[in-house]
Parts: sequence; C-alpha cells; structure tokens
Amino acid sequence: DAKTTQPPSMDCAEGRAANLPCNHSTISGNEYVYWYRQIHSQGPQYIIHGLKNNETNEMASLIITEDRKSSTLILPHATLRDTAVYYCIAPPNLGSNYKLTFGKGTLLTVNP
Amino acid sequence: ETGVTQTPRHLVMGMTNKKSLKCEQHLGHNAMYWYKQSAKKPLELMFVYSLEERVENNSVPSRFSPECPNSSHLFLHLHTLQPEDSALYLCASSQEGGGNSGANVLTFGAGSRLTVL
Repeated sequence: DAKTTQPPSMDCAEGRAANLPCNHSTISGNEYVYWYRQIHSQGPQYIIHGLKNNETNEMASLIITEDRKSSTLILPHATLRDTAVYYCIAPPNLGSNYKLTFGKGTLLTVNP
Repeated sequence: ETGVTQTPRHLVMGMTNKKSLKCEQHLGHNAMYWYKQSAKKPLELMFVYSLEERVENNSVPSRFSPECPNSSHLFLHLHTLQPEDSALYLCASSQEGGGNSGANVLTFGAGSRLTVL
C-alpha cells in the first residue's frame, strides 16, 4: 500500500464542515484513495473512494489534489453521529482487497 | 437480513475452551475476511477467502482456524486461546475479480467482542 499519513485527532463543531486531511505522497498512478470510518466498537464503514477527480456521494466529498499526493474528506454538516475514527487508505490496485491494510486513522470528535 | 452478520456479538471463554465465531454475508460477494482489532491498535488482517479458497494467511497462530464452507459463510474456530487474544474480531466481505475498477469495497459486520480469561 502507498503509505498514508493522517493527524491522530481532530475536533469539529456540530453543523460545521469537517475537513479531514490525508497525505499519500508515494501513491502510484493507478492506486485509488479510499476512506472508511469506524464508530466506536463497530465495524468500519465504507465512505467514498476516488482516483483523480473529486467525488461526492450522500455521505461525503473527496477532494484529491492535482498531483494526487494528498486528499481531503469533507463532511459538509457534521453531526454528533459522525464522531468516529476515519481511515484513509491507498491500497495497491490489484483488483482485490487482499492487501488492504488499515492504519491508525484520525479520531474525529464532533462537539455540540 | 442484509449485509454482514456476525454471531455471537460477545463471547467470554477460558483458555482451555473451544468456541467458534460465525459470519454470514447476504450480499452475494465472493470473498470474505477476518480482521482482528486489539485495544488501541489498527485492524490486523488475519485471513482472506476468495471463492471459498484461502488466499491469504497473515502468520496467524494455529489456535485460530478459519473455515469457509461456502461463499456466504465464514467461521473462525478458537481453541486454547491466550488472554492477549482478547479483541474485537471483524468479518468483512467484498466482490473481487472486477479488475482495476477501484470499486473493491469491503463491507464489515458489527464484530464479535472476545474476552479470554
């Protein structure tokens, strides 16, 4: 996997946008960036993924820099239920998840 | 039921017991995984099964024995565990073999919390 670096923790006020950064400077040209999150003591949940272009779905937006060395996950209106550990992952693009590894992620705390 | 279901959700066992964790996926996926998550540690991939064949075994001690009887079911048989094996065990599934589409998404179950006394 391309090594990813995330801040260990972040805080966000409820209702505001949460912007979670991720550095992946060693990413290869065909490696996607995936984001998952894990709410306390639950299984991780897929959020979004992207290759080059910015992506948006019902959960979040993913902004990838032009050089692909970093990305930002945006939760546009954070709620208390968004408090979780967020994982940024750039696995080798083998067409499988056999080498998918999770790091320590960023603990996002949404405060009332 | 939908998604990935794990049972039991909580398990307490002694070091001499034999128990099993069960995982069932209702997504029609062809690959299943076991992950271990110890307190304050990242998820560790233990086993991967694709089309019911084991394709990955990340140096897991033999006291953990996986079984995949079909593409929808995955078991983790436990015997003579140690207290340090206490952790959250997570099952996941995905649809593999789609080439380099980038859409290889894992769907996780809620996990089985294991405590070894």
